[in-house]
Amino acid sequence: DAEITQSPRHKITETGRQVTLACHQTWNHNNMFWYRQDLGHGLRLIHYSYGVQDTNKGEVSDGYSVSRSNTEDLPLTLESAASSQTSVYFCASSVGPGPYEQYFGPGTRLTVT
Amino acid sequence: GENVEQHPSTLSVQEGDSAVIKCTYSDSASNYFPWYKQELGKRPQLIIDIRSNVGEKKDQRIAVTLNKTAKHFSLHITETQPEDSAVYFCAAPLNQAGTALIFGKGTTLSVSS
Repeated sequence: DAEITQSPRHKITETGRQVTLACHQTWNHNNMFWYRQDLGHGLRLIHYSYGVQDTNKGEVSDGYSVSRSNTEDLPLTLESAASSQTSVYFCASSVGPGPYEQYFGPGTRLTVT
Repeated sequence: GENVEQHPSTLSVQEGDSAVIKCTYSDSASNYFPWYKQELGKRPQLIIDIRSNVGEKKDQRIAVTLNKTAKHFSLHITETQPEDSAVYFCAAPLNQAGTALIFGKGTTLSVSS
């Protein structure tokens, strides 16, 4: 069955380290998204991509980067992890173009100490 | 860019009562309004969505209404059950390209039996 996966599911890292969170989908969706979820803030859009080689900044993109080299993957990189980036990160994908249902991955809980 | 506000942040009802959650948006060009449900420890999942060419959409006990003039849309849950307890998020398109979404901060619904 087609699915969207994230790895790792849990990660603890130290301030200043570079961290990459993986997102992989097998639906062949053009659109992929990264969100962070924090209490009191809901889901905030970090970066998104509408296809290979396309990336765009969302609401809270500072300190994060993404690259899209194929349809299936959109890795999220924290260039120099900060304690403020402790959060639960969700990846999502949707068929495009246009607004359609977004399918979310299981999430990655990241702790920066 | 779009701004989405969601109220209330918490809602407690008795089993069998109705629940209403309201969202307002800022961009009059927005044309797609989904609602997602997130159970504790799970990923968000779409429960219903509405496009701007209709005023109301129903799916069993769930309905969404849209008032484009006032720029607000609401989720209505009738005959609530304990399994409706979850966090509910509304969303609207980030921009006129229409695919990326901006989410409200969420409403925690508690249904007591």
